[in-house]
Amino acid sequence: AQTVTQSQPEMSVQEAETVTLSCTYDTSESNYYLFWYKQPPSRQMILVIRQEAYKQQNATENRFSVNFQKAAKSFSLKISDSQLGDTAMYFCAFQLNFGNEKLTFGTGTRLTIIP
Amino acid sequence: DADVTQTPRNRITKTGKRIMLECSQTKGHDRMYWYRQDPGLGLRLIYYSFDVKDINKGEISDGYSVSRQAQAKFSLSLESAIPNQTALYFCATETTGWGQETQYFGPGTRLLVL
Repeated sequence: AQTVTQSQPEMSVQEAETVTLSCTYDTSESNYYLFWYKQPPSRQMILVIRQEAYKQQNATENRFSVNFQKAAKSFSLKISDSQLGDTAMYFCAFQLNFGNEKLTFGTGTRLTIIP
Repeated sequence: DADVTQTPRNRITKTGKRIMLECSQTKGHDRMYWYRQDPGLGLRLIYYSFDVKDINKGEISDGYSVSRQAQAKFSLSLESAIPNQTALYFCATETTGWGQETQYFGPGTRLLVL
């Protein structure tokens, strides 16, 4: 079974600074997807970024980027120029690429952006 | 993004009552999911459906049942609610196609069982 670990339950950073959230996962498979989801106080789960394991290039979406280290089974999220609206729970998730596999979520990191 | 709606958004019920949570989507996705979120535990899969005739149990299906009435509708039922089913429930749909699988979530239903 696949597992996802987020070792930072809470983090805080000053507005405009850069913050990195950690995620590690465990799998014996080589084809999979990794995701970061954001859950603001509104509780909506919002897709932030997606990475395909077969791609060496790290995914980027505006101020959000990942550092995907396949050998180390690490998938960290970097938020640049952090904004107050980035305050949220962030969940890392893993999905095997077999066409019918479920998402496995980590327990989340609560990020607070300080004005 | 998938347009996924959930009703109700909040619900309070009593132990032993039967309740239904509904999910609808307008993007034509075949795959739909129900998750439960508890504090400190992330999201856990209850049931999933890959089409109207294909329904599967997830990791925590005991005490729940589902119905896929149409491609666009996937309902979750608690036959006899109990307090430890108090949680935040999410429905999700998934885009498919090789290399394109991505799940999009509804706004969630907060359920309190007294």
